[in-house]
Amino acid sequence: EIVLTQSPGTLSLSPGERATLSCRASQSVSRTYLAWYQQKPGQAPRLLIYGASSRATGIPDRFSGSGSETDFTLTISRLEPEDFAVYYCQQYGGSPMHTFGQGTKLEIK
Amino acid sequence: EVQLVESGGGLVQPGGSLRLSCAASGSTFSSDEMNWVRQAPGKGLEWLAYISSGGSITHYADSVKGRFTISRDSAKNSLYLHMSSLRAEDTAVYYCVRNNWNWYYFDLWGQGTLITVSS
Repeated sequence: EIVLTQSPGTLSLSPGERATLSCRASQSVSRTYLAWYQQKPGQAPRLLIYGASSRATGIPDRFSGSGSETDFTLTISRLEPEDFAVYYCQQYGGSPMHTFGQGTKLEIK
Repeated sequence: EVQLVESGGGLVQPGGSLRLSCAASGSTFSSDEMNWVRQAPGKGLEWLAYISSGGSITHYADSVKGRFTISRDSAKNSLYLHMSSLRAEDTAVYYCVRNNWNWYYFDLWGQGTLITVSS
């Protein structure tokens, strides 16, 4: 089983600052099958990034993804008030078919 | 706009059974690969089950294998999750989710339905 470990668990930043979220895999993951999601309270998750670095439709360009093999990063260049939420990475492959990281909570400092 | 709407949630006793439904609007459902994902209160996301567009291929997480069954009826644009031998740890919001057939990311989510397993 591929385990995804996200860090930090909680990130406290102010609007306008840069956020860097990490997702580390227990074994190599194809970039093709690494995605990031944003979830706000009471809502379903929303796809942000797929293929490690491709933005989903309608996602602002302040969101970017990078990385390969076992280390992936989601960067939010300048935080807007609506960006404070929980972020999950997800990978496809192996057994189980999909796994998620445990999430990073991005909170307002 | 394609939408997914889950139903069937509620309170069920430990050891009981329940069937969740997901109604898909839009014309693409018969060619969509579908999944169920859940989220326990205050916890993260857990993928549970996958079904191919034709319904012939299914995969399950170990935590639900043998207890849950995913199925679909493309004529009714509906996805189902049959759950049995329910446990307290199955308490969660259950999401119906579409995955992209090539990249396998989850691009369409329902609003979720809450299952509470308690006596």
